[in-house]
Amino acid sequence: DGGITQSPKYLFRKEGQNVTLSCEQNLNHDAMYWYRQDPGQGLRLIYYSQIVNDFQKGDIAEGYSVSREKKESFPLTVTSAQKNPTAFYLCASSSIRSEKLFFGSGTQLSVL
Amino acid sequence: AQSVSQHNHHVILSEAASLELGCNYSYGGTVNLFWYVQYPGQHLQLLLKYFSGDPLVKGIKGFEAEFIKSKFSFNLRKPSVQWSDTAEYFCAVLPDSNYQLIWGAGTKLIIKP
Repeated sequence: DGGITQSPKYLFRKEGQNVTLSCEQNLNHDAMYWYRQDPGQGLRLIYYSQIVNDFQKGDIAEGYSVSREKKESFPLTVTSAQKNPTAFYLCASSSIRSEKLFFGSGTQLSVL
Repeated sequence: AQSVSQHNHHVILSEAASLELGCNYSYGGTVNLFWYVQYPGQHLQLLLKYFSGDPLVKGIKGFEAEFIKSKFSFNLRKPSVQWSDTAEYFCAVLPDSNYQLIWGAGTKLIIKP
């Protein structure tokens, strides 16, 4: 089955801790995205990558970091600098300019 | 700033009722328009999209949306809803000046059986 796999489904972070969310796709898509979803708000773009070894900041990149060492993988690290990390995080991919996004099932991150 | 507004955060309807979910955007240039849907326990997925041509677009499961350029709107409609349409619906806009989608806050639709 082709698709996007996010893990873990639930994640807890302690104060001062960095945590990494995994996103893997086997759709052979060039572009990958990380979104944050908060209750009552639309999806907000954290980072995106259009090609391996390249990525750009989205609207709310502060406190986050990413890497794109492989086409299939786009992990997101929530650093200790992110003061309000509790949210639902969605990873997506697309083959061309945002024509159609395919989404993963999401990761719910909470702070202990 | 570019933005997308979805008028209702929650909508509750009975089966067989007609549905219209509002979506308005603020951008004066050319746009591509999308409706995404997230059914309970499932991934967010594309419902329909408008790029050009006929402003009335048909999507999956009997949904349609009409692009009215003069009103900056892309409302989603369905003549007769079913219980299985219970989901959260997101409107998104891709301005020609921006590589990235701009998302509305979403509308949670609950259909009473």
